[in-house]
Amino acid sequence: GAGVSQSPRYKVAKRGQDVALRCDPISGHVSLFWYQQALGQGPEFLTYFQNEAQLDKSGLPSDRFFAERPEGSVSTLKIQRTQQEDSAVYLCASSLVTSGGLQTSGRVRGPHNEQFFGPGTRLTVL
Amino acid sequence: QKEVEQDPGPLSVPEGAIVSLNCTYSNSAFQYFMWYRQYSRKGPELLMYTYSSGNKEDGRFTAQVDKSSKYISLFIRDSQPSDSATYLCAMSYYNNNDMRFGAGTRLTVKP
Repeated sequence: GAGVSQSPRYKVAKRGQDVALRCDPISGHVSLFWYQQALGQGPEFLTYFQNEAQLDKSGLPSDRFFAERPEGSVSTLKIQRTQQEDSAVYLCASSLVTSGGLQTSGRVRGPHNEQFFGPGTRLTVL
Repeated sequence: QKEVEQDPGPLSVPEGAIVSLNCTYSNSAFQYFMWYRQYSRKGPELLMYTYSSGNKEDGRFTAQVDKSSKYISLFIRDSQPSDSATYLCAMSYYNNNDMRFGAGTRLTVKP
């Protein structure tokens, strides 16, 4: 089946422009996450949705960043008045379930709330 | 100091070598430990995960967690050129909605 998809894959914006990044999670997945991955760094958490509810937005770096998931499926991350420091890969991930501890099994295909990542949108702000 | 520290490398090894990748962390509350593999221009994919201390093995991959030392490792045996990727360690306190990632180690396996 289809995995998580993101569009556009690449976006070049002039400083000050607004951008909108789209994420299509795996069908039926309840949870959706946005991460920011700067060059040479690991993903940094931005925000988390459970269905249409935004339960955690503590990672959003400023009020220029806004995310929504109005129908509990597709999500959009919007960045207003982009700055050069916003240049990064923006990753979206989805997971099937919402809460509960992880399984303690050692199988590679692991926890029942494993996050599945999309390919990311590479944003470059000039 | 970051919560999760990982040497970014790069690391280059010949095909067939044993690869050792490591992360240290500062918060003893982490309970779940993951390794992700990220190919160029792709999203991370889960490779291994471990709960608490101990070893877990799957094929050529072994994950080790030493909570007393706050140190985790991933070993790759008989490394292949297809293993060339960035390896990210990640940790979670409880329910995997709170993952913290290391910076990633870029690995190249040369034929």
